[in-house]
Amino acid sequence: SQTIHQWPATLVQPVGSPLSLECTVEGTSNPNLYWYRQAAGRGLQLLFYSVGIGQISSEVPQNLSASRPQDRQFILSSKKLLLSDSGFYLCAWSAPYEAFFGQGTRLTVV
Amino acid sequence: GESVGLHLPTLSVQEGDNSIINCAYSNSASDYFIWYKQESGKGPQFIIDIRSNMDKRQGQRVTVLLNKTVKHLSLQIAATQPGDSAVYFCAERDNYGQNFVFGPGTRLSVLP
Repeated sequence: SQTIHQWPATLVQPVGSPLSLECTVEGTSNPNLYWYRQAAGRGLQLLFYSVGIGQISSEVPQNLSASRPQDRQFILSSKKLLLSDSGFYLCAWSAPYEAFFGQGTRLTVV
Repeated sequence: GESVGLHLPTLSVQEGDNSIINCAYSNSASDYFIWYKQESGKGPQFIIDIRSNMDKRQGQRVTVLLNKTVKHLSLQIAATQPGDSAVYFCAERDNYGQNFVFGPGTRLSVLP
């Protein structure tokens, strides 16, 4: 069966520090991969999606970047975090008739 | 488009009543739809899906209805329980881009 792992679950980072959130998928090949951000009490904002290794599409201009070094690995990064980067980050994968989310990372920038 | 700047609309229902959560989608080419439930602090969980060649699908206490004419999707929860309190998202799959687009979400609050 397919599973998605996202870590860490919570993270507190100082302003200006780097960020690396990792997401890996098991049990499927060549999935579409996504990073979303969700502010408290609000909907899902698509940040990046990837249809293959090294292929990244950015949906909104921001302080973050994404990379897909392997087929089932998706990484969200920042060189210098801003206070406004705080939020709940969700990784997801999809195949033609499936789409599943990770459990999310609560990022607090202080 | 995404309504990520808006607060989630809230639906309050009495425990034991039926709940109906609605979702409008914009792309007539969408051929597959999913409903998700998101509890506080967790990622969205798959509830039920439906393909565009169907107009109704039933699961355990949940039913999804699809009206392609008006591009409307609904999730019905029978005998709503406190554990059903969560945010519910619909998602549509664009059969051109094979990407999923998520609706803004609805917060379901179950009253005792």
